[in-house]
Order: sequence, then structure tokens, then C-alpha cells
Amino acid sequence: GENVEQHPSTLSVQEGDSAVIKCTYSDSASNYFPWYKQELGKRPQLIIDIRSNVGEKKDQRIAVTLNKTAKHFSLHITETQPEDSAVYFCAARRGNQGGKLIFGQGTELSVKP
Amino acid sequence: DTGVSQDPRHKITKRGQNVTFRCDPISEHNRLYWYRQTLGQGPEFLTYFQNEAQLEKSRLLSDRFSAERPKGSFSTLEIQRTEQGDSAMYLCASSLSWEVGYGYTFGSGTRLTVV
Repeated sequence: GENVEQHPSTLSVQEGDSAVIKCTYSDSASNYFPWYKQELGKRPQLIIDIRSNVGEKKDQRIAVTLNKTAKHFSLHITETQPEDSAVYFCAARRGNQGGKLIFGQGTELSVKP
Repeated sequence: DTGVSQDPRHKITKRGQNVTFRCDPISEHNRLYWYRQTLGQGPEFLTYFQNEAQLEKSRLLSDRFSAERPKGSFSTLEIQRTEQGDSAMYLCASSLSWEVGYGYTFGSGTRLTVV
């Protein structure tokens, strides 16, 4: 069945350190993997995404890597800042079938000044 | 219209009552999704539409839940005979369908509390 596992569930880092969040997916037909950031009481917002034909994508301090063979992908945040504190969700989707996203359970990131 | 709008933002209802939520997607988006999110969990898929056609409905969705998108624009989600377990944030999202890489744009959600 379709399943996305996300780890860790909570992550605490010092300002300036790096943070890594990992997800694994079960459906080998998944070909699109977005990451969302959700601040307390707010809507999830897309921060970066990657397609299955790409192994890595970077946008300033944020990067995502994808290992299709192992069926896992990771979010990397460098030089963390207190405003990075939020809950982060990974997701996976079959691009040609349905279009629904299957979300991970979320990681609560806390960046301590 | 610069985003996805949901109404109401909050709803408190007594167990057994019916409730209806509305979602207005981004105007050029032809796909519309409903998700449910409980505290500490990721969004859980409920159903989605392409234009006015409901293409998929989660098996987790009981017969008390129904969704419509009659003219391919706004959508409504109705819950009949609400139960306490229905208390959650109900999120709507929209996207363009012909580009697999396009992510969702979420609305701010409707928080339902069943007492």
C-alpha cells in the first residue's frame, strides 16, 4: 500500500547548525516528492520539491536528495535560524495516477538561539 | 484571488449535527483536494476533484462524509451526524493537473470541534 515514513518526529538544533529530516516511501511508482513547512496555526507551505528524474535539488539553505533505489529522500537545512522552527512534512505522489499526496507524520524542528 | 480560501475558519458543533465547509481554490487550478489533519499528524487524504469530477475518495471516509464541486470551481465538504472523532482541521488544497511537478497550495483550513 501507499505509505510514507518520516524521521525523526522531533529535532532540536543550535542556531547555525544543520538539520536533516529523512523520509522513506513504499510505492515504487512515486515520482514527485515535495516538502512542506507548517508554522503553528498556519497552513502548510511548499518549500522545495524534487522529481524522480533528479537526484538532488538546492534552493539557498535548503536542499533535498532522492535515492530511488532505496526509496528514500531527505531534507537538508544548513545554517539554521530560529525562524526555521516549524513542523516539516514530506510527501510522495504518483504523478500520473490520481495526483493525491501521501504525507509523512511530520518533524517538529526547534532551532535554539 | 491570490490563494485558497476556506470558510468558516472555526466550527463548533454538537454531536449528531450536520456541518458543511466551503473551499474556493485558486481560479486557474482545476484540481481540488480535501485533507484532514489531527494534532501531531500529517494531512490525511480524503478526496479530490478534477474540475467537477470526483476522481478518488479515501476508504477511510465513511458514508457520513460527502463532497461536491458542482461547477468545477468551489467545493463543499459535508459531514452528517458528526461524532467526536471528526474533530480535526479540514484542509483544502488546489493544483494544476497537467504538470506533475506542481505542488499544492493549501488553504488555512477549517477547524472543527465536535462537543
